[in-house]
Amino acid sequence: ETGVTQTPRHLVMGMTNKKSLKCEQHLGHNAMYWYKQSAKKPLELMFVYNFKEQTENNSVPSRFSPECPNSSHLFLHLHTLQPEDSALYLCASSLPSGGLHEQFFGPGTRLTVL
Amino acid sequence: GENVEQHPSTLSVQEGDSAVIKCTYSDSASNYFPWYKQELGKGPQLIIDIRSNVGEKKDQRIAVTLNKTAKHFSLHITETQPEDSAVYFCAASGGGKLIFGQGTELSVKP
Repeated sequence: ETGVTQTPRHLVMGMTNKKSLKCEQHLGHNAMYWYKQSAKKPLELMFVYNFKEQTENNSVPSRFSPECPNSSHLFLHLHTLQPEDSALYLCASSLPSGGLHEQFFGPGTRLTVL
Repeated sequence: GENVEQHPSTLSVQEGDSAVIKCTYSDSASNYFPWYKQELGKGPQLIIDIRSNVGEKKDQRIAVTLNKTAKHFSLHITETQPEDSAVYFCAASGGGKLIFGQGTELSVKP
């Protein structure tokens, strides 16, 4: 276990549904990240939060809405997704970003959009 | 921005042989180069990293080399074992933002 948990592990949703992904870290870190991992493509950084403040939005469509209520929890709210959004969504945490720190990844949520 | 290229995309070796995965990066300001291993059904896990003030780093059967002039770095796994089978990702960072390579699927045949 890496100290980063994600729920649910699997999610199937229709294009009109609204769902949320949850990430929790038990490592005392102050930076949290959302990545998208699609088959045959590199991990794509989506969002970065430092001390609960969003510091990076990598041109992510507005149908993905992140929320970071505290340094231990990170959510990704999903609405009106497209089939091409089907992927593995990974959460990670680290000491404050901007430095040379290891990122610890959760197991991911496998999302399928029908 | 930073761009990281990783080769090969797949690699098959016999148990006991060595495996080498290579990455190149574009941003000369990058100064942190981690390698991650991702097993089926799990998130990536750091296996070794190197900083730009070091040319080589070794941890048991795993070693990483960095050539800053040529902007490339490599992962070397010696005496491979079946449990080394996984997808390996390189990454480069110049300011806390990691840019990943496309991944190498390593298969170690017993």
